[in-house]
Amino acid sequence: QKEVEQNSGPLSVPEGAIASLNCTYSDRGSQSFFWYRQYSGKSPELIMFIYSNGDKEDGRFTAQLNKASQYVSLLIRDSQPSDSATYLCAVNINNAGNMLTFGGGTRLMVKP
Amino acid sequence: KAGVTQTPRYLIKTRGQQVTLSCSPISGHRSVSWYQQTPGQGLQFLFEYFSETQRNKGNFPGRFSGRQFSNSRSEMNVSTLELGDSALYLCASTSSGGGNTGELFFGEGSRLTVL
Repeated sequence: QKEVEQNSGPLSVPEGAIASLNCTYSDRGSQSFFWYRQYSGKSPELIMFIYSNGDKEDGRFTAQLNKASQYVSLLIRDSQPSDSATYLCAVNINNAGNMLTFGGGTRLMVKP
Repeated sequence: KAGVTQTPRYLIKTRGQQVTLSCSPISGHRSVSWYQQTPGQGLQFLFEYFSETQRNKGNFPGRFSGRQFSNSRSEMNVSTLELGDSALYLCASTSSGGGNTGELFFGEGSRLTVL
């Protein structure tokens, strides 16, 4: 079992809809969780991080964390074609330094 | 503010050769991490350096090594190249001190092809 799992997709949503991306992780001791976005041919960029159970909102993005169930999700409201990218979930499993374990990514396609 | 700079951007090597990749972090960033990205394995952590010391190391063979200089610039080296080493090698820097933020700023990467 991989330490961080994501559905590879593609997840296709119409423009203006809510896109929901999910991620599960195996290490119960994990403390910090991140969502990176990677456009095709580009490097990843951080869009959200979350440390505490519950929701964290930033503009059109909401990260949700449930440590008891070991999942973290990302909601994108009012999805735009420019949101089409691969979304990578990352977990700092050993909570030391900046060593992140990434999931395989979910490819999101937003159709006009 | 300049971003993370990686050189070279593209390179082709043959099996058995060695390669050195360079990374200049964002000014003021003292932590530099290296990741390997392949279609099959995704993004995998190689190592992290902070203040010239290796702070974390991923599950890669000893052929993969790195170092960090006093100006925070970092290099990674892969010796005795294998076909499976073909990948995009990404360097990332962060401004975190001894702490842990995971807010990584990635460079454009060095794409290595091993023939």
